[in-house]
Amino acid sequence: AQSVTQLDSQVPVFEEAPVELRCNYSSSVSVYLFWYVQYPNQGLQLLLKYLSGSTLVKGINGFEAEFNKSQTSFHLRKPSVHISDTAEYFCAVSQNNAGNMLTFGGGTRLMVKP
Amino acid sequence: DVKVTQSSRYLVKRTGEKVFLECVQDMDHENMFWYRQDPGLGLRLIYFSYDVKMKEKGDIPEGYSVSREKKERFSLILESASTNQTSMYLCASSGTTSGSTDTQYFGPGTRLTVL
Repeated sequence: AQSVTQLDSQVPVFEEAPVELRCNYSSSVSVYLFWYVQYPNQGLQLLLKYLSGSTLVKGINGFEAEFNKSQTSFHLRKPSVHISDTAEYFCAVSQNNAGNMLTFGGGTRLMVKP
Repeated sequence: DVKVTQSSRYLVKRTGEKVFLECVQDMDHENMFWYRQDPGLGLRLIYFSYDVKMKEKGDIPEGYSVSREKKERFSLILESASTNQTSMYLCASSGTTSGSTDTQYFGPGTRLTVL
């Protein structure tokens, strides 16, 4: 069985500051890793994903994440946030790239203040 | 662009009612999913389907059933709604027509309240 832990339920940050949203997972097999974003009153949208290759993954809206196998982490970062980044962010893992059986973390609410 | 639509954004039902949540995707995707989203718990998979008339239980199937009679449509059924099924329900799809099956595309969600 696999599980995903997002260590912070809420992250308040001022506009133009850097941010890191933390994600740790547990799995006995190789995994594929995803970050999704949910803007208010909308469904989830894929930000970025790691399937293989370079451990630093770049996504949309200036976000990036680094896969660290030894620490079983996949933290999301952005060097300078905007008000429009206010949303809920979900980390997810899958044991295959068929898209089946994604396991999600509890979510982190990013609140960007002016 | 992939489009996943859900029949209602908001729904209010009474305890014991039979509830149907409909989801339609327009990308000829093989896989479709139903999740429920609750604060602090993230998304939990209820059921998924990888082909017409095929279904697999997810992590929390109790109290729910599904139907997939056509490739583009995946229905979630609450046979007898209960107050603990008050939640946000999200539908998703994935398939080879989007390049790879690893990315799931989500609908806007249905917020169901059971009184």
